[in-house]
Amino acid sequence: GQQVMQIPQYQHVQEGEDFTTYCNSSTTLSNIQWYKQRPGGHPVFLIQLVKSGEVKKQKRLTFQFGEAKKNSSLHITATQTTDVGTYFCAREGTNAGKSTFGDGTTLTVKP
Amino acid sequence: DTEVTQTPKHLVMGMTNKKSLKCEQHMGHRAMYWYKQKAKKPPELMFVYSYEKLSINESVPSRFSPECPNSSLLNLHLHALQPEDSALYLCASSRDFLNEQYFGPGTRLTVT
Repeated sequence: GQQVMQIPQYQHVQEGEDFTTYCNSSTTLSNIQWYKQRPGGHPVFLIQLVKSGEVKKQKRLTFQFGEAKKNSSLHITATQTTDVGTYFCAREGTNAGKSTFGDGTTLTVKP
Repeated sequence: DTEVTQTPKHLVMGMTNKKSLKCEQHMGHRAMYWYKQKAKKPPELMFVYSYEKLSINESVPSRFSPECPNSSLLNLHLHALQPEDSALYLCASSRDFLNEQYFGPGTRLTVT
């Protein structure tokens, strides 16, 4: 239905290694948003993808939207300890305003 | 000002108490949201207001009662809560639907 599946649930990396989280939907997405929530914090908006095949970069973060608009990924190059947190993708459903979050990928970085 | 504020930060209440959570934004956003987040879980949508009118109620029990007094304020009135309602309650706002949401720091609620 309106859910988005996110994998992996957890990822432990050594500082300097890369990290990728994936978000998949069985239905076409109108857009996909990515948020980061630090431990003890609140979700903070990172990016919104709208167009098929879109790729956006923010420093070491690369966001992709699949050609079929059914999947998205967030890739972090050379992780740092400041990247620690849970990364959520979120979709807007057919009922405008109804956002559904994926289960999130929790990243831990070992210095 | 890109800030959403929420008060109180922490709240402990008994099952017979009545309390209110408050949220405020001054970004001119027309959509405001209440989410509930349990530990190690994603935010779960409760209510959506658009142009100060309730547009979405995700089948939330009536012991939670939202209110939007004006375009900048959003309240969540709590009454006769259960211990399982203990969670982080997040308020968010967006310029309109399909736009990024700005979250407040949340109110950590404990029901005893």
